[in-house]
Order: sequence, then structure tokens, then C-alpha cells
Amino acid sequence: NAGVTQTPKFQVLKTGQSMTLQCAQDMNHNSMYWYRQDPGMGLRLIYYSASEGTTDKGEVPNGYNVSRLNKREFSLRLESAAPSQTSVYFCASSEEVAGVNSPLHFGNGTRLTVT
Amino acid sequence: AQSVTQPDIHITVSEGASLELRCNYSYGATPYLFWYVQSPGQGLQLLLKYFSGDTLVQGIKGFEAEFKRSQSSFNLRKPSVHWSDAAEYFCAVGARGYSTLTFGKGTMLLVSP
Repeated sequence: NAGVTQTPKFQVLKTGQSMTLQCAQDMNHNSMYWYRQDPGMGLRLIYYSASEGTTDKGEVPNGYNVSRLNKREFSLRLESAAPSQTSVYFCASSEEVAGVNSPLHFGNGTRLTVT
Repeated sequence: AQSVTQPDIHITVSEGASLELRCNYSYGATPYLFWYVQSPGQGLQLLLKYFSGDTLVQGIKGFEAEFKRSQSSFNLRKPSVHWSDAAEYFCAVGARGYSTLTFGKGTMLLVSP
């Protein structure tokens, strides 16, 4: 049982380049999330998708776009990468949106460096 | 606005000693409370959760946490720490009607021999 799978694991970009981070879950969860983790900042929500066909901004959405491709997949796109986007990115999923019995299940992260 | 505070950035505990990690929250609604653990290079793993009922909840790996409404706290405890417990620990809070969880900034646990 793979759970939440993120690709790639590592990526180095130059300023201005674009890329897409991929995320897929095999738990039939309705809700999916993208977080970034920076030292001393904890986890900050970038975007989330409460259900297939919907997406909403989180705490730090600027510079990012997302696509909920289907129930399984939720991608995060950086259109023009900036050094401030150097971070570790985590995808997560849950049965329902932050509900009573819906803990988040996390992938292992993508470590992105923008030079 | 909702917030979660983990007052300790780093804690060092001797192997075999007891552990308590602090978490305080500010939420307008009845909270749902979680503790997650993150080992180096890994994603976050759920340790335990509290929704309602008994205020002392048991989790995996011998951890427990107690919800104290009067103190707005949900502290994580373990009677005897093992070297493999060295990791970063995150408290998170949610509530019905809120779409996402709010995470604290984490506490890094170091275990000394």
C-alpha cells in the first residue's frame, strides 16, 4: 500500500524556470493538500482540494498553481521559480476536509532548491 | 484567528527519562487535536488524535496526550524515551467548519545516551 506518492524527491531549478510537482494517493481520499516546510516556520498550507473538481488557496498561495487532475492526483506548479520558493514540499490527503475522523496522510516530500 | 503554539523549539532528554512536549492552541470552536512525528527525510506520521470523550488519549509508539480545555493545551507525553524517538514533533488543530488543520512550528527532540 503506497499511500501518498510524490515525485520527484529532489529538484534544482534556476530562477525563472517552471516545474510541476506530482502527487498521487491510493487511499480513495476526497481531500488533498500541498504544504511547504521551512526551518522554524512549521508547515504552511499552499493550496488544498476539498474534493475532486475544487481547489482553494491556503496561507501562502502566491507563485503557485494547482490542478486536481482526478480523485487520485493533485499537482503543484511553479510557473516562474524564485529563490524564496526553496523549500521542502509535502503533499497530504485525508478522507474529508479536516473532518472529525480525517487525519492527514503525508508523502515523503520533494526537496526543491531554486538558485 | 486560530493559532497553535509549541513553546519549545528544541528539547534534549536522556534515554530512559520521561518526556513532555507542550502544545497550546487558540481556536474559536471545539478543537480536534493531533500530534504528528517527522523523522529526518520523511513525511509526517500521525501519533495520536483527540476528537471528544476521554481527555487522555493513547497513540502509537507508547505516546499519550492529555487535552485540558481550561488551559487550552494538548501536551504529548512518554514515560521512557528511546533513542529512536529522536525526531521533530508537530501539534495540529482543526475544528468542524474549518477546511484545514493549523500546525505548530514543531519541537525537535534530541535523545542523549
